[in-house]
Amino acid sequence: EIVLTQSPATLSVSPGERVTLSCRASQSVSSSLAWYQQKPGQAPRLLIYDASTRATGIPARFSGSGSGAEFTLTISSLQSEDFAVYYCQQYNDWPPWVTFGGGTKVEIK
Amino acid sequence: QVQLQESGPGLVKPSQTLSLTCTVSGGSISSGGYYWTWIRQHPGKGLEWIGYIYHSGSTYYNPSLRSRISMSIDTSKNQFSLKLSSVTAADTAIYYCTRVDCSGGSCYYYYGMDVWGQGTTVTVSS
Repeated sequence: EIVLTQSPATLSVSPGERVTLSCRASQSVSSSLAWYQQKPGQAPRLLIYDASTRATGIPARFSGSGSGAEFTLTISSLQSEDFAVYYCQQYNDWPPWVTFGGGTKVEIK
Repeated sequence: QVQLQESGPGLVKPSQTLSLTCTVSGGSISSGGYYWTWIRQHPGKGLEWIGYIYHSGSTYYNPSLRSRISMSIDTSKNQFSLKLSSVTAADTAIYYCTRVDCSGGSCYYYYGMDVWGQGTTVTVSS
């Protein structure tokens, strides 16, 4: 099973700052990586798939990069509504295998 | 706009069967190009896929749960369902139904879980 490790576990940031979140896979997943945002009490929301393709309706301040085993989600200028937990997900062995990382919580500094 | 809504008991006794239904609105569950999916999230933890079902009825189950899972689809009601048998406290979680957007033969090309229900909390306790 491919394991995803996200870092840091928690990130304290001020609104307007640039944020970079990391996701590392235990083996190469090519570009088969997605990012999700989850706010308290809500379901996850798809942000990015194929490592860098924004999902429908996702603001341009969210961008994804990377391939192989190292990936990054960048929020160019953090808005108040962006404070949430962010999960990466790999689907290199889809169907049916998908696995999620443990998440990074972005909190207000 | 497609929406998903989970329904089912919030409390299940140990050793019994957990039964949940997801109702799809705003679109047809019979549309190709989607796998209908159950995901769960243990309290304060990450996300775990449980299983997927296609409109044809073909399924994939997480091997760690396979012996206890059954999923079905009712295209006439635009619903799909999950049954998880012999539950224990370890099955206490928020259960989400979601849609996998995919394309190609066997839905090979994966575009993410693009629509989610709000989630339903299931507690296993006597």
